[in-house]
Amino acid sequence: DQQVKQNSPSLSVQEGRISILNCDYTNSMFDYFLWYKKYPAEGPTFLISISSIKDKNEDGRFTVFLNKSAKHLSLHIVPSQPGDSAVYFCAASKQGRNDYKLSFGAGTTVTVRA
Amino acid sequence: DGGITQSPKYLFRKEGQNVTLSCEQNLNHDAMYWYRQDPGQGLRLIYYSQIVNDFQKGDIAEGYSVSREKKESFPLTVTSAQKNPTAFYLCASSRGRFASGNTIYFGEGSWLTVV
Repeated sequence: DQQVKQNSPSLSVQEGRISILNCDYTNSMFDYFLWYKKYPAEGPTFLISISSIKDKNEDGRFTVFLNKSAKHLSLHIVPSQPGDSAVYFCAASKQGRNDYKLSFGAGTTVTVRA
Repeated sequence: DGGITQSPKYLFRKEGQNVTLSCEQNLNHDAMYWYRQDPGQGLRLIYYSQIVNDFQKGDIAEGYSVSREKKESFPLTVTSAQKNPTAFYLCASSRGRFASGNTIYFGEGSWLTVV
């Protein structure tokens, strides 16, 4: 039962253009969302997060948008750079006793073309 | 350098053997986790520990065991009962609950292959 879904397994974008990664979730109790970046054979690294009390969070070239009514969030990378080529995971957690648990999507592989 | 160290990086296991993956962190984090990654799937939680001497089953705990005798260490044993153990295993830690705005930090991962 996958509660966090990344329906696009891959994305190819030209260097300098915008990358838009999408993530949908089914559990309305989720209230904290994170994006992670992962290179092959390495552990994921934290990129950016957003709380459900906000609809946007920005950090440099990375912006995350949250649409609670649609249970949808997206990550925008502007401008895309070759070093952004990696797998990006969306993750979510919820309030309560079990808020040590993160649910992850399957990931989107981004390839930035020169 | 603060971080999470996993060892070994690569491990081969024969059918019927138990193997233990090591995870050590020097971030002074209370919570530690083990995740498994399979091709085309997200990270799935095996076990987590909120504090020393306490741990909870995650979504796919069957065939695995853990211990948390020290704050810094959270070893994972893959037992012979785990039917499909070949995967990439990730250890992680966090200061506390995610609702507090914390995030989770990952180690470099360990590849386990059954031969």
